[in-house]
Amino acid sequence: EADIYQTPRYLVIGTGKKITLECSQTMGHDKMYWYQQDPGMELHLIHYSYGVNSTEKGDLSSESTVSRIRTEHFPLTLESARPSHTSQYLCASSGGRTPLHFGNGTRLTVT
Amino acid sequence: DQQVKQNSPSLSVQEGRISILNCDYTNSMFDYFLWYKKYPAEGPTFLISISSIKDKNEDGRFTVFLNKSAKHLSLHIVPSQPGDSAVYFCAASAQTGANNLFFGTGTRLTVIP
Repeated sequence: EADIYQTPRYLVIGTGKKITLECSQTMGHDKMYWYQQDPGMELHLIHYSYGVNSTEKGDLSSESTVSRIRTEHFPLTLESARPSHTSQYLCASSGGRTPLHFGNGTRLTVT
Repeated sequence: DQQVKQNSPSLSVQEGRISILNCDYTNSMFDYFLWYKKYPAEGPTFLISISSIKDKNEDGRFTVFLNKSAKHLSLHIVPSQPGDSAVYFCAASAQTGANNLFFGTGTRLTVIP
């Protein structure tokens, strides 16, 4: 079944560690996105990509980086995690004019 | 500055009754509006959308109304069912398929059996 997958679902990690949040989609969508959401708050776009080798920053400044080497894969990396990075990270994709299709998210806690 | 606002953090409705969720926006360039539903520990799922050339769009039990002059949209669920209990996010963009959707903070709907 075509879908979008995020791993891990939950991650608790210590300050200073490098982490990579994985996102893969099997729908062949060109556009992929990373949103960040704190509890009770709106979703904020932090990165997006229109295709392979294309990445752009969103409206919310983030210390994370992304890469898009393959159409289906859009990982997000934090080189040195800090408690301020504690949040939920949601990956999404869309094709053409279709609405964004979201993964189930990764809830990150940095201690 | 928040461009999409959902001023009611929560709403409780009896099963079978109508649920009305409201959303206001400030950016007059927005021309495409969506509602997403989110269950705990899951990502948001697309529910219904409306383009600014319409004032109403209906899909089964769900209807979205758009009032451009008031910069207001609402989602009506009739009849409400316990399975509708979730957080509902309103979102808007300046063009269909634009790279950025602006989201509200969500309204938690509880449908009481």
